[in-house]
Amino acid sequence: QSALTQPPSASGSPGQSVTISCTGTSSDVGGYNYVSWYQQHPGKAPKLMIYEVSKRPSGVPDRFSGSKSGNTASLTVSGLQAEDEADYYCSSYAGSNSLIFGGGTKLTVL
Amino acid sequence: EVQLVESGGGLVQPGGSLRLSCAASGFTFSTYWMSWVRQAPGKGLEWVANIKQDGSEKSYVDSVKGRFTISRDNAKNSLYLQMNTLRAEDTAVYYCARDSSTWPATFDFWGQGTLVTVSS
Repeated sequence: QSALTQPPSASGSPGQSVTISCTGTSSDVGGYNYVSWYQQHPGKAPKLMIYEVSKRPSGVPDRFSGSKSGNTASLTVSGLQAEDEADYYCSSYAGSNSLIFGGGTKLTVL
Repeated sequence: EVQLVESGGGLVQPGGSLRLSCAASGFTFSTYWMSWVRQAPGKGLEWVANIKQDGSEKSYVDSVKGRFTISRDNAKNSLYLQMNTLRAEDTAVYYCARDSSTWPATFDFWGQGTLVTVSS
């Protein structure tokens, strides 16, 4: 199964908003409301930022939001801050208890 | 506080075996799906395997089927990954991750990872 498709990079200035897309198929993103987003800083373990498309875990700023339309999910980071610079990965349930990740997007805060 | 601590990584020759362990604490281990996720150097995340709360269901990514076996010991709050017939492409940091209590789709806590290097 191929990885979900994410843009390799995204960028924005402090205070701006940026949206990262995650495109799959009807067998994963489009078929289930189990899309998650993870933030990973260099040398660190990933951190859950969004789950079940648009839910935020406790402690995650409300600047982070998620949505889905058809086979494409999106993560929006509003009011960009320097500490938001990191790699972001989407994942989706893909049936038969399997999961699939996106290739990752490097977010740069200019 | 939820803690996941992996161990067992190291250097192994192609064709060799390795067993990873993950010690869990700070939550009721037996009530969560658990997963292994890996990340090759400089690459993205790849889900490897998961296991249901009671061990009755296990799933694997195609590239490791028949070579890797996930297991758990709820009495010891531990998760394992037995890796056989290792290949160079298995070289990665392996993370233990707590999955959902209801549906295997969300990793809310991760360990720090353990590095597996397959090389002669």
